[in-house]
Amino acid sequence: DAGVIQSPRHEVTEMGQEVTLRCKPISGHDYLFWYRQTMMRGLELLIYFNNNVPIDDSGMPEDRFSAKMPNASFSTLKIQPSEPRDSAVYFCASSTQGRGGYNEQFFGPGTRLTVL
Amino acid sequence: QQQVKQSPQSLIVQKGGISIINCAYENTAFDYFPWYQQFPGKGPALLIAIRPDVSEKKEGRFTISFNKSAKQFSLHIMDSQPGDSATYFCAASKQTGANNLFFGTGTRLTVIP
Repeated sequence: DAGVIQSPRHEVTEMGQEVTLRCKPISGHDYLFWYRQTMMRGLELLIYFNNNVPIDDSGMPEDRFSAKMPNASFSTLKIQPSEPRDSAVYFCASSTQGRGGYNEQFFGPGTRLTVL
Repeated sequence: QQQVKQSPQSLIVQKGGISIINCAYENTAFDYFPWYQQFPGKGPALLIAIRPDVSEKKEGRFTISFNKSAKQFSLHIMDSQPGDSATYFCAASKQTGANNLFFGTGTRLTVIP
């Protein structure tokens, strides 16, 4: 398996523009997580899905952020309009119910977003 | 509110030395404690994990020590190598359907030759 795939790897945009980050989870995984990583706040969980359904979006910072999972093999995280404080590395991770009920999350390589 | 507190923020260790990273949690419902390792430009990857029914777990040079009564756990890296230089995250989870992880803030480890 190729692992979790994210695109683009780097994104530079101007304030006010719409940004769409994409993620392809590992085939067969039924959980998908979106994280944001910054030096100041570390790894923050933004939202996660189970079987394509959003379960907890309490980490989504503002209404400018939205996430969708139209099918089991694709998810997007959209920021509209983007702001400089959104600059961060965004990670997608996927997992499935393991033995004993514990999930190992497999992370993608991340998308480094810079908003000018 | 940070559910898992991690220290130190950064750590510099000589090659061959012992690296120790500490974490503490408050929620007694947590019952799974993994450590993730992240190299620059990469996503975090699971390194080692422990459940609270044991006080220690060892895999090669990496050991987790767990103190349930103190609600603390730590990662020990024996014979630290320059290749161990990375950011380490502790995390905690509950055995529920989601198992979503609560991460510590990370420790940047540098092992100098």
